Amino acid sequence: AAGVIQSPRHLIKEKRETATLKCYPIPRHDTVYWYQQGPGQDPQFLISFYEKMQSDKGSIPDRFSAQQFSDYHSELNMSSLELGDSALYFCASSLGVGPNTEAFFGQGTRLTVV
Amino acid sequence: AQKITQTQPGMFVQEKEAVTLDCTYDTSDPSYGLFWYKQPSSGEMIFLIYQGSYDQQNATEGRYSLNFQKARKSANLVISASQLGDSAMYFCAMREDNNDMRFGAGTRLTVKP
Repeated sequence: AAGVIQSPRHLIKEKRETATLKCYPIPRHDTVYWYQQGPGQDPQFLISFYEKMQSDKGSIPDRFSAQQFSDYHSELNMSSLELGDSALYFCASSLGVGPNTEAFFGQGTRLTVV
Repeated sequence: AQKITQTQPGMFVQEKEAVTLDCTYDTSDPSYGLFWYKQPSSGEMIFLIYQGSYDQQNATEGRYSLNFQKARKSANLVISASQLGDSAMYFCAMREDNNDMRFGAGTRLTVKP
Protein backbone atom coordinates (compact mmCIF):
# COMPACT_ATOMS: atom_id res chain seq x y z
CA ALA A 1 0.00 0.00 0.00
CA ALA A 2 1.18 3.51 -0.77
CA GLY A 3 2.54 5.44 2.19
CA VAL A 4 3.39 9.04 2.92
CA ILE A 5 6.37 10.10 0.84
CA GLN A 6 8.77 12.76 2.02
CA SER A 7 11.61 14.29 0.10
CA PRO A 8 14.44 14.68 0.45
CA ARG A 9 15.30 12.08 3.06
CA HIS A 10 18.41 13.95 4.12
CA LEU A 11 19.35 17.59 3.74
CA ILE A 12 22.38 19.56 4.81
CA LYS A 13 22.20 23.34 4.79
CA GLU A 14 24.28 26.17 6.11
CA LYS A 15 23.09 28.77 8.59
CA ARG A 16 20.93 31.49 7.05
CA GLU A 17 20.12 29.36 4.02
CA THR A 18 16.64 28.26 3.02
CA ALA A 19 15.21 24.77 2.72
CA THR A 20 12.06 23.28 1.25
CA LEU A 21 10.70 19.96 2.43
CA LYS A 22 8.06 18.12 0.45
CA CYS A 23 5.35 15.73 1.52
CA TYR A 24 3.11 13.56 -0.63
CA PRO A 25 0.22 12.14 1.40
CA ILE A 26 -1.36 8.75 1.05
CA PRO A 27 -3.71 8.83 -1.98
CA ARG A 28 -7.14 10.23 -1.11
CA HIS A 29 -5.92 11.64 2.20
CA ASP A 30 -6.94 15.28 2.47
CA THR A 31 -5.13 16.30 5.64
CA VAL A 32 -1.43 16.85 6.15
CA TYR A 33 0.47 17.51 9.36
CA TRP A 34 4.05 18.63 9.95
CA TYR A 35 6.09 17.70 13.02
CA GLN A 36 9.60 18.55 14.17
CA GLN A 37 11.55 16.08 16.28
CA GLY A 38 14.79 17.31 17.81
CA PRO A 39 17.49 14.85 18.92
CA GLY A 40 16.21 12.73 21.80
CA GLN A 41 12.89 14.58 21.88
CA ASP A 42 9.30 13.74 21.10
CA PRO A 43 7.72 15.11 17.93
CA GLN A 44 6.39 18.65 18.20
CA PHE A 45 3.42 19.69 16.10
CA LEU A 46 4.13 22.53 13.67
CA ILE A 47 1.14 23.01 11.39
CA SER A 48 -1.62 21.14 9.59
CA PHE A 49 -3.77 21.55 6.51
CA TYR A 50 -7.18 20.20 5.63
CA GLU A 51 -8.48 20.49 2.10
CA LYS A 52 -5.70 22.91 1.20
CA MET A 53 -6.52 25.30 4.03
CA GLN A 54 -4.50 25.71 7.20
CA SER A 55 -6.44 23.94 9.91
CA ASP A 56 -4.24 24.18 12.98
CA LYS A 57 -1.01 25.84 13.99
CA GLY A 58 1.46 24.71 16.61
CA SER A 59 4.95 25.81 17.48
CA ILE A 60 5.99 26.77 13.97
CA PRO A 61 8.54 29.61 13.89
CA ASP A 62 7.73 32.71 11.86
CA ARG A 63 10.71 31.84 9.64
CA PHE A 64 8.83 28.78 8.47
CA SER A 65 5.82 28.65 6.19
CA ALA A 66 3.87 25.84 4.64
CA GLN A 67 1.08 25.21 2.21
CA GLN A 68 -0.97 22.42 0.74
CA PHE A 69 -1.41 22.35 -3.00
CA SER A 70 -4.32 21.33 -5.23
CA ASP A 71 -2.96 17.76 -5.51
CA TYR A 72 -2.83 17.66 -1.67
CA HIS A 73 0.92 17.53 -1.45
CA SER A 74 2.46 19.94 1.01
CA GLU A 75 5.68 21.88 1.28
CA LEU A 76 7.39 23.27 4.35
CA ASN A 77 9.56 26.27 3.58
CA MET A 78 12.23 27.17 6.07
CA SER A 79 14.22 30.39 5.82
CA SER A 80 17.13 31.92 7.73
CA LEU A 81 18.04 28.50 9.02
CA GLU A 82 19.57 28.24 12.46
CA LEU A 83 21.63 25.49 14.04
CA GLY A 84 18.67 24.70 16.29
CA ASP A 85 16.55 23.83 13.28
CA SER A 86 18.53 20.62 12.88
CA ALA A 87 15.96 17.92 13.44
CA LEU A 88 13.91 15.17 11.91
CA TYR A 89 10.87 16.63 10.16
CA PHE A 90 7.88 14.38 9.79
CA CYS A 91 4.89 14.74 7.59
CA ALA A 92 1.76 12.75 8.36
CA SER A 93 -1.50 12.40 6.51
CA SER A 94 -5.02 11.35 7.31
CA LEU A 95 -8.42 11.11 5.72
CA GLY A 96 -10.46 13.82 7.37
CA VAL A 97 -9.86 15.50 10.67
CA GLY A 98 -10.95 14.95 14.23
CA PRO A 99 -9.84 13.04 17.31
CA ASN A 100 -10.71 9.65 15.85
CA THR A 101 -8.64 10.07 12.73
CA GLU A 102 -5.60 7.87 12.32
CA ALA A 103 -2.53 9.70 11.04
CA PHE A 104 0.19 7.89 9.13
CA PHE A 105 3.70 9.26 9.08
CA GLY A 106 6.29 9.48 6.36
CA GLN A 107 9.86 8.38 6.91
CA GLY A 108 10.93 11.89 7.73
CA THR A 109 13.47 14.36 6.41
CA ARG A 110 16.61 14.69 8.46
CA LEU A 111 17.76 18.30 8.26
CA THR A 112 21.23 19.21 9.42
CA VAL A 113 22.16 22.88 9.64
CA VAL A 114 25.88 23.54 9.80
CA ALA B 1 0.72 21.35 31.13
CA GLN B 2 1.90 17.94 30.03
CA LYS B 3 -0.91 16.17 28.25
CA ILE B 4 0.73 12.81 27.71
CA THR B 5 2.98 11.19 30.30
CA GLN B 6 5.19 8.21 29.70
CA THR B 7 6.98 7.51 32.97
CA GLN B 8 9.33 4.81 31.70
CA PRO B 9 12.31 6.28 29.82
CA GLY B 10 13.59 2.78 29.16
CA MET B 11 12.35 -0.77 29.49
CA PHE B 12 13.95 -4.18 29.06
CA VAL B 13 12.12 -7.39 28.23
CA GLN B 14 13.23 -10.91 27.51
CA GLU B 15 12.48 -12.22 24.05
CA LYS B 16 9.10 -14.03 23.86
CA GLU B 17 7.83 -12.39 27.03
CA ALA B 18 5.11 -9.75 27.26
CA VAL B 19 5.78 -6.13 28.18
CA THR B 20 3.56 -3.21 29.16
CA LEU B 21 4.47 0.36 28.27
CA ASP B 22 2.68 2.94 30.39
CA CYS B 23 0.87 6.02 29.17
CA THR B 24 -1.37 8.42 31.06
CA TYR B 25 -3.09 11.41 29.57
CA ASP B 26 -4.89 14.55 30.62
CA THR B 27 -7.89 15.99 28.85
CA SER B 28 -11.26 17.49 29.61
CA ASP B 29 -12.61 16.79 26.13
CA PRO B 30 -15.12 13.92 26.02
CA SER B 31 -13.98 13.00 22.52
CA TYR B 32 -10.37 12.11 21.92
CA GLY B 33 -8.19 9.51 20.29
CA LEU B 34 -5.17 7.71 21.68
CA PHE B 35 -2.39 6.38 19.47
CA TRP B 36 0.79 4.40 19.83
CA TYR B 37 3.68 4.75 17.43
CA LYS B 38 6.93 2.82 17.12
CA GLN B 39 10.11 4.59 16.07
CA PRO B 40 13.03 2.27 15.26
CA SER B 41 16.58 3.53 15.09
CA SER B 42 16.10 4.25 11.39
CA GLY B 43 13.80 7.08 12.42
CA GLU B 44 10.49 6.41 10.75
CA MET B 45 7.31 6.68 12.80
CA ILE B 46 5.18 3.55 12.50
CA PHE B 47 1.52 3.57 13.53
CA LEU B 48 0.70 0.63 15.81
CA ILE B 49 -2.71 0.96 17.38
CA TYR B 50 -5.57 3.38 18.03
CA GLN B 51 -8.20 3.69 20.77
CA GLY B 52 -11.14 6.06 20.63
CA SER B 53 -12.52 7.57 23.81
CA TYR B 54 -15.94 6.12 23.14
CA ASP B 55 -14.72 2.65 22.25
CA GLN B 56 -16.12 0.12 24.66
CA GLN B 57 -13.53 -2.55 23.99
CA ASN B 58 -9.77 -2.40 24.19
CA ALA B 59 -8.10 -2.14 20.81
CA THR B 60 -6.00 -5.04 19.57
CA GLU B 61 -3.75 -5.36 16.52
CA GLY B 62 -1.89 -8.63 16.28
CA ARG B 63 0.63 -8.75 19.14
CA TYR B 64 -0.31 -5.24 20.25
CA SER B 65 -3.16 -4.47 22.58
CA LEU B 66 -4.13 -1.31 24.35
CA ASN B 67 -5.20 -1.51 27.99
CA PHE B 68 -7.59 1.43 28.08
CA GLN B 69 -8.73 2.52 31.53
CA LYS B 70 -10.78 5.62 30.95
CA ALA B 71 -11.45 6.52 34.56
CA ARG B 72 -7.73 6.38 35.31
CA LYS B 73 -6.90 8.14 32.03
CA SER B 74 -4.41 5.51 31.09
CA ALA B 75 -3.75 3.82 27.76
CA ASN B 76 -0.99 1.30 28.27
CA LEU B 77 0.43 -0.63 25.33
CA VAL B 78 0.89 -4.35 25.80
CA ILE B 79 3.23 -6.19 23.45
CA SER B 80 2.93 -9.95 23.68
CA ALA B 81 5.61 -12.47 22.69
CA SER B 82 8.32 -9.80 22.28
CA GLN B 83 10.66 -10.10 19.32
CA LEU B 84 14.14 -8.66 18.82
CA GLY B 85 12.69 -6.42 16.14
CA ASP B 86 10.44 -4.78 18.73
CA SER B 87 13.44 -2.89 20.12
CA ALA B 88 12.62 0.75 19.41
CA MET B 89 11.25 3.98 20.88
CA TYR B 90 7.53 3.87 21.54
CA PHE B 91 5.45 7.02 21.65
CA CYS B 92 1.99 7.44 23.07
CA ALA B 93 -0.02 10.27 21.50
CA MET B 94 -3.41 11.87 21.92
CA ARG B 95 -5.59 13.95 19.66
CA GLU B 96 -8.44 16.03 21.04
CA ASP B 97 -11.02 17.97 19.07
CA ASN B 98 -8.44 20.11 17.33
CA ASN B 99 -5.86 18.71 14.94
CA ASP B 100 -2.90 18.87 17.25
CA MET B 101 -1.59 15.39 18.09
CA ARG B 102 0.52 15.58 21.24
CA PHE B 103 3.18 13.02 21.99
CA GLY B 104 4.63 11.73 25.21
CA ALA B 105 8.36 11.70 25.82
CA GLY B 106 8.62 8.11 24.66
CA THR B 107 9.84 4.82 26.11
CA ARG B 108 12.88 3.05 24.72
CA LEU B 109 12.21 -0.69 24.68
CA THR B 110 15.08 -3.13 24.44
CA VAL B 111 14.33 -6.79 23.81
CA LYS B 112 17.03 -9.10 25.09
CA PRO B 113 17.75 -12.45 23.42
